[in-house]
Amino acid sequence: DAGITQSPRHKVTETGTPVTLRCHQTENHRYMYWYRQDPGHGLRLIHYSYGVKDTDKGEVSDGYSVSRSKTEDFLLTLESATSSQTSVYFCAISGTSGRSYNEQFFGPGTRLTVL
Amino acid sequence: TQLLEQSPQFLSIQEGENLTVYCNSSSVFSSLQWYRQEPGEGPVLLVTVVTGGEVKKLKRLTFQFGDARKDSSLHITAAQPGDTGLYLCAAFTGGGNKLTFGTGTQLKVEL
Repeated sequence: DAGITQSPRHKVTETGTPVTLRCHQTENHRYMYWYRQDPGHGLRLIHYSYGVKDTDKGEVSDGYSVSRSKTEDFLLTLESATSSQTSVYFCAISGTSGRSYNEQFFGPGTRLTVL
Repeated sequence: TQLLEQSPQFLSIQEGENLTVYCNSSSVFSSLQWYRQEPGEGPVLLVTVVTGGEVKKLKRLTFQFGDARKDSSLHITAAQPGDTGLYLCAAFTGGGNKLTFGTGTQLKVEL
């Protein structure tokens, strides 16, 4: 299994508070992604990174920011959490050659509840 | 409107039955992937189909890419409880290995 961890695994927070989710990989893969998963929508891309300090927006980026200061870590920040951001968040990684180029490997997910 | 629409959204069947899940789009893709996600875990890649009309088999699972490369199907023969999960199709869109996922089909196979 690809070495991807997410922290925390569960979080309950209140509307208006900032929240940071962490994704850590041990595979030295170039690409990292943050998705949210909601019923009836599959997985939707929030932000992605194609290298250290290189990030770009996905289809549902409003209200989220990301940072990648090291290859192994990709942080997702909810600047001011809202109830609509209650979701399960997944981090994924992919590489630049071979099998890792054509496949995304997913972390175990973080369940976030915003009250 | 999502780029990839899956049907049905939910499917509950008995062990031993056959089923087909569909993934449809109006766009043409260079390839399409199928992932399976079990409760409490992230999705795991099952297969990638690349050529129009291509058929790939993975044990009791048969994947087909449409001739026009706009759609795909997943057929499961003699379903087992271990097949229970969320099935997601996905296609590469844009640069950076970005994937767009379908809406998902939640399958439950009961004894």
